[in-house]
Amino acid sequence: GQQLNQSPQSMFIQEGEDVSMNCTSSSIFNTWLWYKQDPGEGPVLLIALYKAGELTSNGRLTAQFGITRKDSFLNISASIPSDVGIYFCAGSLSSGAGSYQLTFGKGTKLSVIP
Amino acid sequence: DAGVIQSPRHEVTEMGQEVTLRCKPISGHNSLFWYRQTMMRGLELLIYFNNNVPIDDSGMPEDRFSAKMPNASFSTLKIQPSEPRDSAVYFCASSLGRGETQYFGPGTRLLVL
Repeated sequence: GQQLNQSPQSMFIQEGEDVSMNCTSSSIFNTWLWYKQDPGEGPVLLIALYKAGELTSNGRLTAQFGITRKDSFLNISASIPSDVGIYFCAGSLSSGAGSYQLTFGKGTKLSVIP
Repeated sequence: DAGVIQSPRHEVTEMGQEVTLRCKPISGHNSLFWYRQTMMRGLELLIYFNNNVPIDDSGMPEDRFSAKMPNASFSTLKIQPSEPRDSAVYFCASSLGRGETQYFGPGTRLLVL
């Protein structure tokens, strides 16, 4: 089955620093998604990428869909304390059976030091 | 607008008991997904429905797990009998049409003693 390798597993950064995390896959995806999960909550969609090479921003967040369709990265600029949480990448490849299944990475746990 | 609603938010039960988790997807969404999250295995897809029909249940761990979607606005995940290794956070998510953009509920935290 498809596997996603997400790195790093955890990060400790100073407030104001930029953050970068990425995901690589053993096979191609049609869509890459980035989610954030706060403690005690469900994952919340941050950015969705639908085309190879696509670069999309959402405020201080920027994500790119790799040209090979096997990787994606997420950057957070000028981090703030509320950026703390676990960030998940997810890839989708249409099953053709009526809906899309997501394969999730194991997550990057971000800690921001004020 | 209401997001995905799950109940209960927390469940503590004893081994052998039946557990029923409930989900109300976002109105208008016609795909529904059940996930399980643990520290060891991360987020795992258990089963998903499209237009109330189960499409793929290959992620369901064993016969003790069953899921139903009797209508477009309600789904249940049942564990009978429950075991301590079933302790996890169970998420429900929904999406529009065949869209892969899934919206997650807050989860049910299950502890089986």
